[in-house]
Amino acid sequence: NAGVTQTPKFRILKIGQSMTLQCAQDMNHNYMYWYRQDPGMGLKLIYYSVGAGITDKGEVPNGYNVSRSTTEDFPLRLELAAPSQTSVYFCASSYGRATTNYGYTFGSGTRLTVV
Amino acid sequence: GDSVTQMEGPVTLSEEAFLTINCTYTATGYPSLFWYVQYPGEGLQLLLKATKADDKGSNKGFEATYRKETTSFHLEKGSVQVSDSAVYFCALSGLTGTASKLTFGTGTRLQVTL
Repeated sequence: NAGVTQTPKFRILKIGQSMTLQCAQDMNHNYMYWYRQDPGMGLKLIYYSVGAGITDKGEVPNGYNVSRSTTEDFPLRLELAAPSQTSVYFCASSYGRATTNYGYTFGSGTRLTVV
Repeated sequence: GDSVTQMEGPVTLSEEAFLTINCTYTATGYPSLFWYVQYPGEGLQLLLKATKADDKGSNKGFEATYRKETTSFHLEKGSVQVSDSAVYFCALSGLTGTASKLTFGTGTRLQVTL
């Protein structure tokens, strides 16, 4: 039972480079989320998706893009990496809208450094 | 907007000591409250939750009570173990667009020593 799988675990990017953070879940969850965690800060929502083909912005979407072509995958794209995007990125999924009943399942995170 | 405030860490305790990690929140309406735990190298895992005032969430010896009057959800454990060493996040649920959203505190690192 893999749950939520994120790749890569670590990555160093140069300013201006692009990359895609991968996230896949095998629980048939409809809802998927991307959060970032900066040192000493809480997790902030970047983008979320309520199902294949449907995505929406969270609190801090600037500099990122997402797509959701299948239920399983929710990749996060950085087009022009900036030092401000140095962070730990977490992908999460949930079965339904009501987190009170279902909770979130998190991936183990991707640590990204932009130099 | 919604916010969660947790006590600063790290918290260092000896094994079998009593643990309290403070959490207070600001929210509109009546959110559900959660504690998540992150062990080294792993993702966040749901530890416990409470959905309404005076509810007590509990799991693995940890407890937290939803106190609406003080807007708090403090995490407690009577006797910690070395295996409890981790980062603990307090969170509340809210709505954003068509989905629910968790708002997290900054996390509190717990280190338990023998």
